[in-house]
Amino acid sequence: DAGVIQSPRHEVTEMGQEVTLRCKPISGHDYLFWYRQTMMRGLELLIYFNNNVPIDDSGMPEDRFSAKMPNASFSTLKIQPSEPRDSAVYFCASSLAGGAGGPSYEQYFGPGTRLTVT
Amino acid sequence: GQNIDQPTEMTATEGAIVQINCTYQTSGFNGLFWYQQHAGEAPTFLSYNVLDGLEEKGRFSSFLSRSKGYSYLLLKELQMKDSASYLCAVITGTYKYIFGTGTRLKVLA
Repeated sequence: DAGVIQSPRHEVTEMGQEVTLRCKPISGHDYLFWYRQTMMRGLELLIYFNNNVPIDDSGMPEDRFSAKMPNASFSTLKIQPSEPRDSAVYFCASSLAGGAGGPSYEQYFGPGTRLTVT
Repeated sequence: GQNIDQPTEMTATEGAIVQINCTYQTSGFNGLFWYQQHAGEAPTFLSYNVLDGLEEKGRFSSFLSRSKGYSYLLLKELQMKDSASYLCAVITGTYKYIFGTGTRLKVLA
């Protein structure tokens, strides 16, 4: 398998523009996660899906952020309008289901999208 | 609130042993895991603990004490390629994932 695929790898945009980040999870994985990483705050979970259904979006910073998973092989994270403080590396990860009904502890991360908002 | 504490930075010598500590305060607990992240790359899974005790995996071991809210990652026979950030993360009772800010390990020749 090719692993988790993210696009674009780098995105530079101006404040106020819409940004869409894309993710293709590993085939057969039930869970998909979106993370944001900055030097100041470290790695933060934004939202995760189980079988295409959003389970926990409490980490989404505000209404400017939205995520969708229309099918098992594709997810998007959209920021509209973007702001300079959204500059970060955004990771997508996927995992199998774990034994206790939740996700497996082993998540596979994509290479990330480095977003710069000027 | 919920938080995880790790040292920001550590330095060790090639061939030595290093222990990276992690303490946590969370609402409920469903497991603790460690990830390795090289600069500019994605995190990769290292180990997972759900019960108290030591889990060994080659040169890496991870320990958990749930009563103390404490874990450590032990790296033996350090190699230069072990220079990376090590992230401690907890799965809470409601399956929220809380990550620490990571410990940046520098291995010196």
